[in-house]
Amino acid sequence: SQTIHQWPATLVQPVGSPLSLECTVEGTSNPNLYWYRQAAGRGLQLLFYSIGIDQISSEVPQNLSASRPQDRQFILSSKKLLLSDSGFYLCAWRWGMNTEAFFGQGTRLTVV
Amino acid sequence: QQQVKQSPQSLIVQKGGISIINCAYENTAFDYFPWYQQFPGKGPALLIAIRPDVSEKKEGRFTISFNKSAKQFSLHIMDSQPGDSATYFCAASTPIGANNLFFGTGTRLTVIP
Repeated sequence: SQTIHQWPATLVQPVGSPLSLECTVEGTSNPNLYWYRQAAGRGLQLLFYSIGIDQISSEVPQNLSASRPQDRQFILSSKKLLLSDSGFYLCAWRWGMNTEAFFGQGTRLTVV
Repeated sequence: QQQVKQSPQSLIVQKGGISIINCAYENTAFDYFPWYQQFPGKGPALLIAIRPDVSEKKEGRFTISFNKSAKQFSLHIMDSQPGDSATYFCAASTPIGANNLFFGTGTRLTVIP
């Protein structure tokens, strides 16, 4: 069966510090991978998606970047965090174009 | 532009009552309509999904009603329980493209004992 791992679960970082959130998927190959951000009490905002290694598409201009160095690894990064980067970050994967998304457990990021 | 419009934003239901969440869309290319359930501090999880060749799908206490002509679909939770308290997202997907799954804005359901 497929599983998705996302870590860390919570993170408190000072403004201006770097960020690295990691997501890995097990039990499948060549998944489509996604990073979402969810503000408190709000919906899901798609940040990045990837259809393959080193193939990243950005949905919104922002202070964040994403990378996919391996088929089942997706990394969300920032060189310098802003207060507005605080939120709940979710990684997800889909197999194929017209299927459901499977989400990780999320990372609660608080920038102070 | 919000591809899938969801209402209400929040909903309070008595235990044993029926919870109803509605979604609407315009894009006739959508052909897959999943619903996700999210508990606080957790990622969303697929609850139930429907394709437009059927008008209703039922899984336990959860039912999706789909009206293709009106471009609307809804989630009904029968005999709502406090454990159903969560945020619910509807979504819609087109057949092609990697960025083809569009979520509603979510409904926060609270079931009071």
